[in-house]
Amino acid sequence: GQQLNQSPQSMFIQEGEDVSMNCTSSSIFNTWLWYKQDPGEGPVLLIALYKAGELTSNGRLTAQFGITRKDSFLNISASIPSDVGIYFCAGQLFPGNTGKLIFGQGTTLQVKP
Amino acid sequence: GAVVSQHPSRVICKSGTSVKIECRSLDFQATTMFWYRQFPKQSLMLMATSNEGSKATYEQGVEKDKFLINHASLTLSTLTVTSAHPEDSSFYICSARNNRASYGYTFGSGTRLTVV
Repeated sequence: GQQLNQSPQSMFIQEGEDVSMNCTSSSIFNTWLWYKQDPGEGPVLLIALYKAGELTSNGRLTAQFGITRKDSFLNISASIPSDVGIYFCAGQLFPGNTGKLIFGQGTTLQVKP
Repeated sequence: GAVVSQHPSRVICKSGTSVKIECRSLDFQATTMFWYRQFPKQSLMLMATSNEGSKATYEQGVEKDKFLINHASLTLSTLTVTSAHPEDSSFYICSARNNRASYGYTFGSGTRLTVV
């Protein structure tokens, strides 16, 4: 099935460092979503983006919806150990609104205390 | 907030048997639910879209006779893995679309299926 191109695949950083990950697609999306998944759990929504160019923050997390509607990035500032997990971008295709989400491959984040 | 309950969280079954997984929206009505499959260290792959009162829409390559989906009410969708085989072992996750919320998708906590 269709997937988004998410990078990097994994990151190992020191506590306190900032993190950046991004997703790109050849298709236009009308919604971009960023999720975090802990082992053995379902994804939990971090940030939802609805407009091209939109920049949204949620605590130490900031995400942007690219102007072209084909990309998005997520930044985490001042990382802490509990940020460990797998981060997924997801997009809802445009045009049309079938409700289906397409997921990126995920970015595994490890934080060294 | 919107809560989706998925049950069971873990199940082990013998090869050839069938397993039913339930997905319930606890505090909202969900006309549409989605079923995903996730293999270790991989992303979520959409299997099917479950529509209340009508047949599910399956993604290309997903066997509808093997993965039976029933969405009989606005709060419950079930996925039955029929005649399970070891290659069906995976993490199955549902999500429900809450049309009344500004953001519509809430995920269940997943079901770890192991077929032995």
